[in-house]
Amino acid sequence: GQSLEQPSEVTAVEGAIVQINCTYQTSGFYGLSWYQQHDGGAPTFLSYNGLDGLEETGRFSSFLSRSDSYGYLLLQELQMKDSASYFCAGMDSSYKLIFGSGTRLLVRP
Amino acid sequence: EAGVTQSPTHLIKTRGQQATLRCSPISGHTSVYWYQQALGLGLQFLLWYDEGEERNRGNFPPRFSGRQFPNYSSELNVNALELEDSALYLCASSRGQGQGDTQYFGPGTRLTVL
Repeated sequence: GQSLEQPSEVTAVEGAIVQINCTYQTSGFYGLSWYQQHDGGAPTFLSYNGLDGLEETGRFSSFLSRSDSYGYLLLQELQMKDSASYFCAGMDSSYKLIFGSGTRLLVRP
Repeated sequence: EAGVTQSPTHLIKTRGQQATLRCSPISGHTSVYWYQQALGLGLQFLLWYDEGEERNRGNFPPRFSGRQFPNYSSELNVNALELEDSALYLCASSRGQGQGDTQYFGPGTRLTVL
């Protein structure tokens, strides 16, 4: 089976940098994805790491270390609109996407 | 390019009834996934359809079923509704390329069971 763990809540100040960690346990694993979900909205794809290392997309970066079963999402120059829930998700060997329980990010002025 | 669409937006049913939810994938996508998201919780995988076939299902009872049509749209049926079935049901689509295949989500159907 597969499970992913994230902190339940993170608070940061506008303009700051925040890192959301994700650790996983899996019997088969094909990369880590990150999704953003605003209250009442649908999850929006942010990034995917299929290999170890850092992927950068604008203000967002994502990192994966398969040897450590660990990844993170880094958000820079935080804006109020970044307040949302962030989910890491791993694809297992049957191509099923397993989601973490989500991290609620609150950005304060 | 149009995104994933779902209908209806909201659905209210009573216990024991049946609910049918519909999803149209992004053009060119052959895979459709269904997830359940209870209030304040994460996404739980329900079903995966690709090329008209059920490829995988999550840990849900058989009263959750669905199908995929030749145009790749999909339907999720929930029979004998129970109160705990109240949730946001999300549909996602992808190109069906397996590993590393990005899933794109629709806006969801909010099902309320009274």
